[in-house]
Amino acid sequence: GAVVSQHPSWVICKSGTSVKIECRSLDFQATTMFWYRQFPKQSLMLMATSNEGSKATYEQGVEKDKFLINHASLTLSTLTVTSAHPEDSSFYICSARDQGGTGAAKNIQYFGAGTRLSVL
Amino acid sequence: GQSLEQPSEVTAVEGAIVQINCTYQTSGFYGLSWYQQHDGGAPTFLSYNALDGLEETGRFSSFLSRSDSYGYLLLQELQMKDSASYFCAVIRGSTLGRLYFGRGTQLTVWP
Repeated sequence: GAVVSQHPSWVICKSGTSVKIECRSLDFQATTMFWYRQFPKQSLMLMATSNEGSKATYEQGVEKDKFLINHASLTLSTLTVTSAHPEDSSFYICSARDQGGTGAAKNIQYFGAGTRLSVL
Repeated sequence: GQSLEQPSEVTAVEGAIVQINCTYQTSGFYGLSWYQQHDGGAPTFLSYNALDGLEETGRFSSFLSRSDSYGYLLLQELQMKDSASYFCAVIRGSTLGRLYFGRGTQLTVWP
């Protein structure tokens, strides 16, 4: 099945530094990837839609200058948390749709294993 | 915006059948999906409904009524490994297929 790799799985950083998270689709191409944030025991909140070769689309209330998204190829999207603060500590998860999927399969999102960010 | 409602917790014993309901309010509704997430893990796709009716995939089935803005996930022959969080999610817009998740239902299966 389709595999999405997310790296790193866990990162600790100092307040004020920036952290980059990578999301790769390993065996399929994804012109669209998604970034979510999840607090413990809570829902996944869509942060932004990453579009290959164009600007990301951010959900209302998500600071685009704080969460920089780059989708430079059909298999890689990156999320950079800039000037991280303790309140940015969370579980960040990416997902991707298989552009080659047909019918109902094109609506399946494949998720990475997530990145747990702790900002000290 | 959108809102989804699902029960926060459900418990059952092995071999039983459980139904997790989901009601939603959203614009641009395209379909309803269900995902499973074990603690600390990645969400995994279970089922998807775009049209009214029942979709069956092994032990799991999902139902959608667009007129009632309602769906459910039915889990049969429960196993201990089914203990996890189950999320319903609406798909808004067919082009990008953005997912908006409910708060999740924690299912605990007892022996």
